[in-house]
Order: sequence, then C-alpha cells, then structure tokens
Amino acid sequence: DAGITQSPRHKVTETGTPVTLRCHQTENHRYMYWYRQDPGHGLRLIHYSYGVKDTDKGEVSDGYSVSRSKTEDFLLTLESATSSQTSVYFCAISESTGGGYGYTFGSGTRLTVV
Amino acid sequence: GESVGLHLPTLSVQEGDNSIINCAYSNSASDYFIWYKQESGKGPQFIIDIRSNMDKRQGQRVTVLLNKTVKHLSLQIAATQPGDSAVYFCAEINDNDYKLSFGAGTTVTVRA
Repeated sequence: DAGITQSPRHKVTETGTPVTLRCHQTENHRYMYWYRQDPGHGLRLIHYSYGVKDTDKGEVSDGYSVSRSKTEDFLLTLESATSSQTSVYFCAISESTGGGYGYTFGSGTRLTVV
Repeated sequence: GESVGLHLPTLSVQEGDNSIINCAYSNSASDYFIWYKQESGKGPQFIIDIRSNMDKRQGQRVTVLLNKTVKHLSLQIAATQPGDSAVYFCAEINDNDYKLSFGAGTTVTVRA
C-alpha cells in the first residue's frame, strides 16, 4: 500500500525466540497502530502510538511491546514468541482522530511460531 | 461486536445482483462507522463511512445504512462484480479516540 510498508512479509520462528516486526511510513502521519488478524475475528488492536515515544496498549497487548523512536517507524516486538501469536499482523497509520479518514493499512506480515 | 443474528460469515452472490452485508455493532456511543474491503493477501481498504447522526450514505455502487435503534449497519453493493469478492468488515470509532474496533467480517463470493 502506498506510503506504508511492513517487513518482513512472512516469517517463521521458533517458540521462545524474540521477533521484531517493522512498520515504516512515508506519510508523516502522527498515529500508528498494530493489529493482529485471526480466523473468525476481525482485526484486534495490539498497541498504538500517538507520537514519537508515545505509545499505549490495545485490547490484546499481552506478550507484545512496541517502540517508536522516529515518526516513520513503529516496531512491534514479541519478546518470547508463543504459538498463540501465530497470526497475520497489520500496521496502520492515520492522520487524525476519529472517522476513517486517512486510516491506511499495510499489506501485513504473516508470522508463524512453531 | 455482539451478534444479534443478522451477521452472516459468508455470502454468495450472483454476478450482477445486489449484495447486502450486515453488521451488528456493540458501542452505542460510537461516532463513526466504516466499511472496509479486504482482498486475499492484502490489508483492509476503506470503502465508505457514515457518521452516527446520519442514517444513509451513498458512494459509487455502494450504500451504507445505519440503524441506531437496533445497532445495525449494512453495506449494499449494486450490480456485484467478480472484483467485489473479498472479506468485508465493519468498524466503529469515536471522534476523540484513535482506535478502530472491528467486527468479525463477511466473506463475499461472486458467482459468474
């Protein structure tokens, strides 16, 4: 998707290993989000950021941490990956609060924990 | 969000027919409701949104209806095309909040 890239696109990792997913934007948007998507569920919010070094938890934040040292990058870290964290992870950016305006999603990272 | 029996996880539609996708939302205080389309291997894409003080909004080939009395949202797609095959999600958000809350999604399959 234009302006937002996620890396890697696919990853297989072993239980207990640390994993970091990267979201990079070129839109200079203030707000960035990490969601996970599992079968039978919509997207569920893990963590979000409302500025550099300003982050907060979403509804499914256990086992995840985030960092945002620059406007353009938002990192999601699984400190010790578990099989329950096998999922597709989406990053999103938005330019303002409220509405759906400017809410853009990346193409996703498929993570498999074995 | 919670289901009131209106949400179907799958929908099969004949090409050229109209599609209606339903969603029951959970938060009566939400200010905005949004429909997203997600194609295989891609992230969700914005289709159309509606403010809570409206009951209908039209776009190109799509119409969103909002019934706040029963907390129900629907997306109507006119003259459904093969390219409309995807998973459709409704989402809700508040004006002074950042976070979207998503429904479970409906998979739409268009038959030729």
